Amino acid sequence: KQEVTQIPAALSVPEGENLVLNCSFTDSAIYNLQWFRQDPGKGLTSLLLIQSSQREQTSGRLNASLDKSSGRSTLYIAASQPGDSATYLCAAPNAGGTSYGKLTFGQGTILTVHP
Amino acid sequence: EAGVAQSPRYKIIEKRQSVAFWCNPISGHATLYWYQQILGQGPKLLIQFQNNGVVDDSQLPKDRFSAERLKGVDSTLKIQPAKLEDSAVYLCASKLEGRTNEKLFFGSGTQLSVL
Repeated sequence: KQEVTQIPAALSVPEGENLVLNCSFTDSAIYNLQWFRQDPGKGLTSLLLIQSSQREQTSGRLNASLDKSSGRSTLYIAASQPGDSATYLCAAPNAGGTSYGKLTFGQGTILTVHP
Repeated sequence: EAGVAQSPRYKIIEKRQSVAFWCNPISGHATLYWYQQILGQGPKLLIQFQNNGVVDDSQLPKDRFSAERLKGVDSTLKIQPAKLEDSAVYLCASKLEGRTNEKLFFGSGTQLSVL
């Protein structure tokens, strides 16, 4: 059974800092790993999807890396802004590598960026 | 492009009452999911549909929860009777065909409070 853990649970930083969010998973037989953003009272928005054959993906100020052998992924946010404040969740396919949206989510990292 | 629509946004009921949630996925999306997100946790998959057929309902508490997707478009999730521990946000999500490299799109969710 896949288990996903995110560290830290919460993070508060001043605007402009570069920061790293961590995600670890127990079953490395995955097809991909996804990072989502969730704003209060809203659904989840997909940020980045890293295929198992890739080591990283970039979108604007976001960069996500994947190390299957160690069961880890990191989300790097450069030059953080108050608008980045949200909960960030990572998700990995359920154990066995089958992935048709059967994602196991971490509990999320609550990020607050203050001006 | 219209997103995943869910209603109602909020629902407050007493325990042992019944409740139903509605979801309209993105047009043309064959795969539809219902997730349960308890406060402070990541979403947990309840059921997955491919068109109007159930692909995975292994984590659906079938003694009280039921779901259907008639005609492979809209879906409803029902709880009868509700328990206090059912208080959560119920998220609907959809994918175009359910392939591993497709993005998952979420609705804003229905926040259920069981008193």
